[in-house]
Amino acid sequence: DTGVSQDPRHKITKRGQNVTFRCDPISEHNRLYWYRQTLGQGPEFLTYFQNEAQLEKSRLLSDRFSAERPKGSFSTLEIQRTEQGDSAMYLCASSRGKNTEAFFGQGTRLTVV
Amino acid sequence: RKEVEQDPGPFNVPEGATVAFNCTYSNSASQSFFWYRQDCRKEPKLLMSVYSSGNEDGRFTAQLNRASQYISLLIRDSKLSDSATYLCVVNSGNTGTASKLTFGTGTRLQVTL
Repeated sequence: DTGVSQDPRHKITKRGQNVTFRCDPISEHNRLYWYRQTLGQGPEFLTYFQNEAQLEKSRLLSDRFSAERPKGSFSTLEIQRTEQGDSAMYLCASSRGKNTEAFFGQGTRLTVV
Repeated sequence: RKEVEQDPGPFNVPEGATVAFNCTYSNSASQSFFWYRQDCRKEPKLLMSVYSSGNEDGRFTAQLNRASQYISLLIRDSKLSDSATYLCVVNSGNTGTASKLTFGTGTRLQVTL
């Protein structure tokens, strides 16, 4: 399968714990995006990378969220001190470049209890 | 004002009907536009890109009006399998490398017998 893959698919964690998600983009894609989606809403932008550079981070994102893409390939999204409001689907997408269509992974569904 | 606005619906139409969705965007510097389809609890999947001249793919037609800053999607001869949420997506980059994909909240379509 040469699509975008995300791991884990589901994560249940206790409030206050840290969680880390991984995304492996399509291999020739240099752009990688993270989104969060809650029920009934469209995907909400979190951050994106071009190769290893993080070009933009949403102002809505608290300091508890951090993302990396150290070698310009896979990316990780970490949430520290999780809160119940962090419960959502976390989607990763990749694209070949600016102004091109993006392809999504199946997402990581986070439940904070 | 939201960057990308859509009527959330739901649009309930009988099989065989023609249905149209509109989407407006606020950033006049936006450069690329897409329609994605999302099934319940699944990731968004690219339906089609939207070109300035308009484009058609089978029963689906997308159009862009830059002057009025809106995008449309027309579905002819609706099938039960078209039931899904349709997401309008705008690449809202301004200059240089900065660009991100901004999603609308989605329009839900339910096709019935």
